[in-house]
This record gives sequence, structure tokens and C-alpha cells, in this order.
Amino acid sequence: DGGITQSPKYLFRKEGQNVTLSCEQNLNHDAMYWYRQDPGQGLRLIYYSQIVNDFQKGDIAEGYSVSREKKESFPLTVTSAQKNPTAFYLCASSIMVGGLQPQHFGDGTRLSIL
Amino acid sequence: AQSVTQLGSHVSVSEGALVLLRCNYSSSVPPYLFWYVQYPNQGLQLLLKYTSAATLVKGINGFEAEFKKSETSFHLTKPSAHMSDAAEYFCATTNTGNQFYFGTGTSLTVIP
Repeated sequence: DGGITQSPKYLFRKEGQNVTLSCEQNLNHDAMYWYRQDPGQGLRLIYYSQIVNDFQKGDIAEGYSVSREKKESFPLTVTSAQKNPTAFYLCASSIMVGGLQPQHFGDGTRLSIL
Repeated sequence: AQSVTQLGSHVSVSEGALVLLRCNYSSSVPPYLFWYVQYPNQGLQLLLKYTSAATLVKGINGFEAEFKKSETSFHLTKPSAHMSDAAEYFCATTNTGNQFYFGTGTSLTVIP
């Protein structure tokens, strides 16, 4: 079945450490997205990518970095510069055909600080 | 700029009662609108989408939403709540597909 796989489901970060969250899709979608979800704040866009080797900052990109070397993969690195990284992180993808196609979501990674 | 506003961060209904979750949009161009559901520790699942083909949109699990341009609304309804409907619901919009804008969510509690 086609879908989006995020790993790990739970991740712990030590102070000063960079951690990388994995996102893989086999839907053949061009666009991929990373969101951060905090209680009561909905989803906030961190980065998105419309095509391989290209990505754009979202509303809260500071302290995060991404790469898009392959169409099916869009990993997110939470750097030590992100001072409040504890959150639920969601990866999504969509077909780049106007706005008619909704986003498909993975099951998320919950990041906590040790 | 595009945005959606969800009125009521928490809604409680009795099992079998009408579910009404409110969403208003702000857009300078005709929007595409979506409702998603999220169960604990999971991603978002699409319930339904509005793409201007019809103002009343039917989705999965008995949910439907009506696009009302005069009220700039896209409220989600279900005639009879079931215990399994308890979840977080998000309204979202886009006009290009490049960026999606989500509301802050409404947590639905179903009382037995």
C-alpha cells in the first residue's frame, strides 16, 4: 500500500545534540512538507519541498534543516539551535497539481528532551 | 493572506447527537478547503475536501460540510455522533497546493 513512513515514532534528544527525523513516501508525490504540532497551536509549517534538490522555509524554520536528495525522502534535522524542540512532528506529501489534491500524512514522530 | 479559523477548541456532544464543528476561512480568491481528523499519536486523515464542484461535500464516516460563500464558512457536521468520532479535527485551506494553512483544531468529546 502507498503511504508515508516516519521514523522513529519516539525520539529523545540530549542538550546540544542534533537529531534527524526520517520521512519516506512511496506515493510518487512531488511535494513534501514538515510540520510541528504543539497543543492548542495546530500545525505550523517548518519546511516544504516542491521538487528534488529544492526546498523552502516555512513559518518556523529557525533551528531546523532539511534535504531533498531523492523524490521519496525528506529528512528533517532538529539542530541544537532549536531551543524548544519538544513537539510532535508530522511529515506530509501532496501531488503538485494545483490545490485539488490534499496532503497525505505520516503517523508522526514525538521528540522529547532528556 | 489565506487562513482558517476554527471556533471552539473543545466541543462535547452526547452519543447520537448532532456534531457541528465550525470553520471560517479568509481568502482573496476561491479557496480549496479540507477537513482532517487526527486520533491520538497519529497523523491526520482526510475526511472531505471542497474544490468548488458542489457546495455540499460528503466525506467518510458520515461527515459532511457545506461551503457558504456568503458566510465564508465551511462547517463540519454529522447527524449522529458515535463514540469512535472522539478525536481532534482540523480545517485547512490552500489555493495553490504549495502551502496549506491549518486551523488550531477542535477536540471532540463524545459522552456516552
